[in-house]
Amino acid sequence: EIVLTQSPDTLSLSPGERAILSCRASQSVSSYYLTWYQQKPGQAPRLLIYSASNRATGVPDRFSGSGSGTDFTLTISRLEPEDFAVYYCQQCATSTYNFGQGTKLEIK
Amino acid sequence: QVQLVESGGGVVQPGRSLRLSCAASGFTFSTYGMHWVRQAPGKGLEWMAGISYDGTSKYYVDSVKGRFTISRDNSKNTLYLQMNSLRVEDTAVYYCAKDSVGSNFGFDYWGQGTLVTVSS
Repeated sequence: EIVLTQSPDTLSLSPGERAILSCRASQSVSSYYLTWYQQKPGQAPRLLIYSASNRATGVPDRFSGSGSGTDFTLTISRLEPEDFAVYYCQQCATSTYNFGQGTKLEIK
Repeated sequence: QVQLVESGGGVVQPGRSLRLSCAASGFTFSTYGMHWVRQAPGKGLEWMAGISYDGTSKYYVDSVKGRFTISRDNSKNTLYLQMNSLRVEDTAVYYCAKDSVGSNFGFDYWGQGTLVTVSS
């Protein structure tokens, strides 16, 4: 089983700042199969990034993804108030599509 | 537009069974893999089970193998999750989710979730 570990657990930043969220896999994952989601309280998750670096439909270009092998990153270039949420990475390389534990992005 | 609507949640005693449904519309249901994902109160997302577009392949997280069964009826555009031998730790919001274009690229649409509470 591929285990995904996200860091940090909580990130406290101000609007306008840059956010860098990390997702580390216990073994190499093809970048084709690494996905990021955003979840706001009381809502279902929203697909943000697929194949490590491709923005899903309607996702603003301040969101970007990168990485390969075991290390992946979600970057939000300039935080907007609506970006404060929980972010999850997910691997879709194996038949069990597990998630990381999540990073909570909170307003400082 | 794509819609996924879960139903069937509720309060159930440990050891009992429950069947969740997910009614799909707005896309060709029979051509997409589907999944169940759960979220315990205040916790993260946990992928539970997935099923191929035609129902021939099914996958489960280890913690529910032998207790939960995913299935689909493409004639009714409906996904199911049969949950048996429920445990207190199965308490969660259960979401159904649709494969993005091609499997292995994440889930592009999610339902609003249905709450399952397992309690005596």
